[in-house]
Amino acid sequence: NAGVTQTPKFQVLKTGQSMTLQCAQDMNHEYMSWYRQDPGMGLRLIHYSVGAGITDQGEVPNGYNVSRSTTEDFPLRLLSAAPSQTSVYFCASRRDFNTGELFFGEGSRLTVL
Amino acid sequence: GENVEQHPSTLSVQEGDSAVIKCTYSDSASNYFPWYKQELGKRPQLIIDIRSNVGEKKDQRIAVTLNKTAKHFSLHITETQPEDSAVYFCAAPNGNTGNQFYFGTGTSLTVIP
Repeated sequence: NAGVTQTPKFQVLKTGQSMTLQCAQDMNHEYMSWYRQDPGMGLRLIHYSVGAGITDQGEVPNGYNVSRSTTEDFPLRLLSAAPSQTSVYFCASRRDFNTGELFFGEGSRLTVL
Repeated sequence: GENVEQHPSTLSVQEGDSAVIKCTYSDSASNYFPWYKQELGKRPQLIIDIRSNVGEKKDQRIAVTLNKTAKHFSLHITETQPEDSAVYFCAAPNGNTGNQFYFGTGTSLTVIP
């Protein structure tokens, strides 16, 4: 099993550019989520999904879009990148509501100039 | 939403000593409390968790205690080893649905050989 796979691992963008961070899991998990990690601020939830076709906002959703057309994939779109979006992004999944463990991807380091 | 506070932000211990990290949460309906370990440059990984129907859980050198009345939970690492050096995060879900995990800001643990 590959688990949770994120691409790309590193990306540099210019202010105003758009991009998509890809996330895929092969564990048939219903729940998927995106976090950003900034120094001294822990992990903050951006968006999450409890199943195909269902998404919702987390703590810090502004500037990001998500969709969930299949159980396996949960891409995160930056619509118009800003320097404040420089961060490390983690995708995470878990089987369902009663199974608490989050399985994280390896992370994507994004720099916005 | 849930508010999770974690202390201390940094902790240095001598090899063989114990380390304790504490977290408080605000949502009295939260019922699941995990701890994640993140080594430098790696993804967070679950090391231990506890549900609200128990007060303590142990797994070899690590243990978690929960005080629901006071709304705090703690991670205890005994007989620390250099490989325990990492950043540790506590988390708690929003009580109503458990769909959003709120993380503490992390504790950087250094074990000095």
